[in-house]
Amino acid sequence: EAQVTQNPRYLITVTGKKLTVTCSQNMNHEYMSWYRQDPGLGLRQIYYSMNVEVTDKGDVPEGYKVSRKEKRNFPLILESPSPNQTSLYFCASSRGTKVETQYFGPGTRLTVL
Amino acid sequence: AQSVTQLDSHVSVSEGTPVLLRCNYSSSYSPSLFWYVQHPNKGLQLLLKYTSAATLVKGINGFEAEFKKSETSFHLTKPSAHMSDAAEYFCVVTLYGGATNKLIFGTGTLLAVQP
Repeated sequence: EAQVTQNPRYLITVTGKKLTVTCSQNMNHEYMSWYRQDPGLGLRQIYYSMNVEVTDKGDVPEGYKVSRKEKRNFPLILESPSPNQTSLYFCASSRGTKVETQYFGPGTRLTVL
Repeated sequence: AQSVTQLDSHVSVSEGTPVLLRCNYSSSYSPSLFWYVQHPNKGLQLLLKYTSAATLVKGINGFEAEFKKSETSFHLTKPSAHMSDAAEYFCVVTLYGGATNKLIFGTGTLLAVQP
């Protein structure tokens, strides 16, 4: 089944404790992206990647890192999480860099205390 | 600059009555427009998309949307609401430029369906 998976689905952590949210897709998509969703703000793009070893900042990249060592994986790294990073995070992928339809993962709900 | 405005943050309808979720866009180019749906505790799923072909676009689950350039609108409709339609709906416009395009999301409309 074609899908985007994220782990963990739920995470509660404390300020400053490094964490990684994994994202994997099995559709051989070139383009992958991370979004955060906050009430009243819709989805905002954090980082995106056009292919292996190619990443770039989205609209809200501060406090986040990403890597794209393999085509299928695009982990999101919070080196020193803060409470304002409490949010719902979505990973998405699409076939080309000229993005049309994106396929979304199920989301990761992160709480930073 | 491209932007999208969803005019209602909450819409409540009775089961069996029509649904109208409103979306206006602003774009310097001929836009691509999408509606995505998010059910509780789920990821986003594409409902339908407009990419400069027919202005009336049919999607999944009986939803459709009409692209009206003169009104810069892309409202989502369904003739008869079902309880399973209760979800959050996002109108999305594509920002073109450079090596990659980007999706600009509206702030969402939460649809409640009353029995």
